[in-house]
Amino acid sequence: AAGVIQSPRHLIKEKRETATLKCYPIPRHDTVYWYQQGPGQDPQFLISFYEKMQSDKGSIPDRFSAQQFSDYHSELNMSSLELGDSALYFCASSFGGGAVEPYNEQFFGPGTRLTVL
Amino acid sequence: AQKVTQAQTEISVVEKEDVTLDCVYETRDTTYYLFWYKQPPSGELVFLIRRNSFDEQNEISGRYSWNFQKSTSSFNFTITASQVVDSAVYFCALSDGASGGSYIPTFGRGTSLIVHP
Repeated sequence: AAGVIQSPRHLIKEKRETATLKCYPIPRHDTVYWYQQGPGQDPQFLISFYEKMQSDKGSIPDRFSAQQFSDYHSELNMSSLELGDSALYFCASSFGGGAVEPYNEQFFGPGTRLTVL
Repeated sequence: AQKVTQAQTEISVVEKEDVTLDCVYETRDTTYYLFWYKQPPSGELVFLIRRNSFDEQNEISGRYSWNFQKSTSSFNFTITASQVVDSAVYFCALSDGASGGSYIPTFGRGTSLIVHP
């Protein structure tokens, strides 16, 4: 079965550079979530989109922005990168906004490992 | 606010031992969902189980079993006859509608399970 696709899988950037992470949800999923997992930490919710509209916002820095496109894929744009942004970034997808069982299961992508030097 | 506590930071066992990972949660909602995820060294998050607050039946899936007890706000996970491949970080997560109806999961800090041959 098709899974969530994230690209790139690994990314190395310098401080103050920008980065764009992409997420392709499971076909027919209309909800996308972004998480940040620092080393040895639990995943922290950043932001989510349902039907191309922002649905929830977590601890996303102002330097980051995201959007969901008409084909439901999403991009996380990160500017003025800092050393502390080095983390594993997960995208997850679900159907119908993710609030109603059984659609509230989030399917996670393999993650993008971002290293900021 | 919702909260998930995984008091065990790291557990080390020898293959074939049984091991229980504890998860205690806090929520004011009567409708909520509990999850367990496995994160192997490769980094991806693997969904293991979802349980809603109205279903206290315990579940068994092969060597995995889950004990949900609302009276103690716990959702513990037991691996029977552990294997080296079970070595991973295991996250317990809770989602409820406290945030204005959104069901974004909050993760515990994770328990690192090391199974020695």
